Amino acid sequence: DSGVTQTPKHLITATGQRVTLRCSPRSGDLSVYWYQQSLDQGLQFLIQYYNGEERAKGNILERFSAQQFPDLHSELNLSSLELGDSALYFCASSVDPSNSPLHFGNGTRLTVT
Amino acid sequence: GDSVTQMEGPVTLSEEAFLTINCTYTATGYPSLFWYVQYPGEGLQLLLKATKADDKGSNKGFEATYRKETTSFHLEKGSVQVSDSAVYFCALSLQTGANNLFFGTGTRLTVIP
Repeated sequence: DSGVTQTPKHLITATGQRVTLRCSPRSGDLSVYWYQQSLDQGLQFLIQYYNGEERAKGNILERFSAQQFPDLHSELNLSSLELGDSALYFCASSVDPSNSPLHFGNGTRLTVT
Repeated sequence: GDSVTQMEGPVTLSEEAFLTINCTYTATGYPSLFWYVQYPGEGLQLLLKATKADDKGSNKGFEATYRKETTSFHLEKGSVQVSDSAVYFCALSLQTGANNLFFGTGTRLTVIP
């Protein structure tokens, strides 16, 4: 058990809808990362937060947004969903934003129908 | 751009066979290199890492050496077990103050008794 908690485990929704994925980092970790794992794109870095502030941005679509709250949990919001957004979304956390290992949650599987 | 190229899978080996999974990278600067493992239904777990040239990372019988001259970080294990069946990801981090990882496409390993 990595200590990173992601909810829900599975999500099925229709095109055009909006969903929110939630992540609680490991106790003591200040940095949170979001990754998308799809069959055709592999594991893609989306965005990183450190202590509530955005730290780095990757291949995150404009339809997607994220934030990290004062209690350090994070939410990834996906809107105007398309079939191609179906993927496994992983959250990871680390103690500091630049050198410490990432610890991954078990992911949220999103299916857009 | 910065990227990781990983050996295509899937790989199927008999128990106690020797394992090599090739990984090469392209990066500006001096990246840190990682191997992560993903067991079925779980998130990624850090297997081993190396932060500078000629460093050798090792864990659970797995080893990988950071070779700057060949820009490689091949994963090896002398005798695989059925419990090693998983997907293995090579990754790099640019150490630019952000800890986001660039992952390879993953190699699925199946070990048969």
